[in-house]
Amino acid sequence: DTEVTQTPKHLVMGMTNKKSLKCEQHMGHRAMYWYKQKAKKPPELMFVYSYEKLSINESVPSRFSPECPNSSLLNLHLHALQPEDSALYLCASSRQVGNSNSPLHFGNGTRLTVT
Amino acid sequence: AQKITQTQPGMFVQEKEAVTLDCTYDTSDQSYGLFWYKQPSSGEMIFLIYQGSYDEQNATEGRYSLNFQKARKSANLVISASQLGDSAMYFCAMRGSYGNNRLAFGKGNQVVVIP
Repeated sequence: DTEVTQTPKHLVMGMTNKKSLKCEQHMGHRAMYWYKQKAKKPPELMFVYSYEKLSINESVPSRFSPECPNSSLLNLHLHALQPEDSALYLCASSRQVGNSNSPLHFGNGTRLTVT
Repeated sequence: AQKITQTQPGMFVQEKEAVTLDCTYDTSDQSYGLFWYKQPSSGEMIFLIYQGSYDEQNATEGRYSLNFQKARKSANLVISASQLGDSAMYFCAMRGSYGNNRLAFGKGNQVVVIP
């Protein structure tokens, strides 16, 4: 079983809806990540939180809004999405950001469909 | 910058046989980490194995081993005794000092194990 838990597993939303993706880890990791993955492509980095502070935003549109309420939780708030935002959204965590030997541990992902 | 190259087309492997997945990388970093991930059709990104750039021995984890040739900048994954559950996309990835230790992914290799 994965140690990074994501909910919901599937989400269908209209372009005017507001929804949130949730991610939780209890490994004591201090870095958390959001990735977007299109079919048959590698994951693309969206956001990185280090010690609960946003450290990297990969020029993601403002309709995606991340939040890190505490060291175990990471949310991604969605508003006014476009159909092209339909993808698999993966959350990950690692011991810390500045450590090249620390693997990222991923959750099961949320399959998002925007109609 | 870092670059990971996985060029093999989709592969069919007979059950119980070994399979080698190729990965080459390019970096100017002296210290870096190499990772392999497995992604079944369910979507979860599963961490398989890690190799550090200063590690003198090839990494092994159960049926997975990493053939690390530093001078050639290659980090091939070997899966021994393939099982039907090994059918998945496999991603090679790297973390160095570039971009706040971003995890750079290759494009992936699709593996299908046939009985």
